[in-house]
Amino acid sequence: AQSVTQLDSQVPVFEEAPVELRCNYSSSVSVYLFWYVQYPNQGLQLLLKYLSGSTLVKGINGFEAEFNKSQTSFHLRKPSVHISDTAEYFCAVGRGGADGLTFGKGTHLIIQP
Amino acid sequence: DTAVSQTPKYLVTQMGNDKSIKCEQNLGHDTMYWYKQDSKKFLKIMFSYNNKELIINETVPNRFSPKSPDKAHLNLHINSLELGDSAVYFCASSRGGWDEQFFGPGTRLTVL
Repeated sequence: AQSVTQLDSQVPVFEEAPVELRCNYSSSVSVYLFWYVQYPNQGLQLLLKYLSGSTLVKGINGFEAEFNKSQTSFHLRKPSVHISDTAEYFCAVGRGGADGLTFGKGTHLIIQP
Repeated sequence: DTAVSQTPKYLVTQMGNDKSIKCEQNLGHDTMYWYKQDSKKFLKIMFSYNNKELIINETVPNRFSPKSPDKAHLNLHINSLELGDSAVYFCASSRGGWDEQFFGPGTRLTVL
């Protein structure tokens, strides 16, 4: 079984400041990792994914994440946030095939003007 | 064109009723899923289907019955609705393997 821990339920940050959203996972098998974003009253949109290869993954909207196997982490970062980044961010792991994803509890990113 | 669509978007009903939520994807994917998002926004897999065959059935009450008439559709039927069924239900699809999942817009179910 796998699990995902998002350490912060809410992260307030000022506009144009950098942000890091933390994600740790545990699994007894190899997994692949995702970050999804959910804007209010919408579905989930993929930000980025890690399957293998380079541990630094770049995604949409200027986000990037770094996979750290030894620390079992996959933290999401953005160097300068915008008011439009206000949303719920979910880290997820999967084992492939037709398995469902295991999600963290989400981090609400609040951008303050 | 919407990749993964769900109907209805909102569903308000009384306890004890039976209701269905429909999902369609036009991405040509083989695998489809249902997730439940509770009031605290926690997302949990309920079912997955691959080529119309049930693959995963997490600990979901048997009042919930998914049906896949073809690869592009995965519907969710819920019998004898209870207050605790109130949630947002998301359909998703993928090519399987290591591919990401594409999510629908969600159906907000409210049981009164």
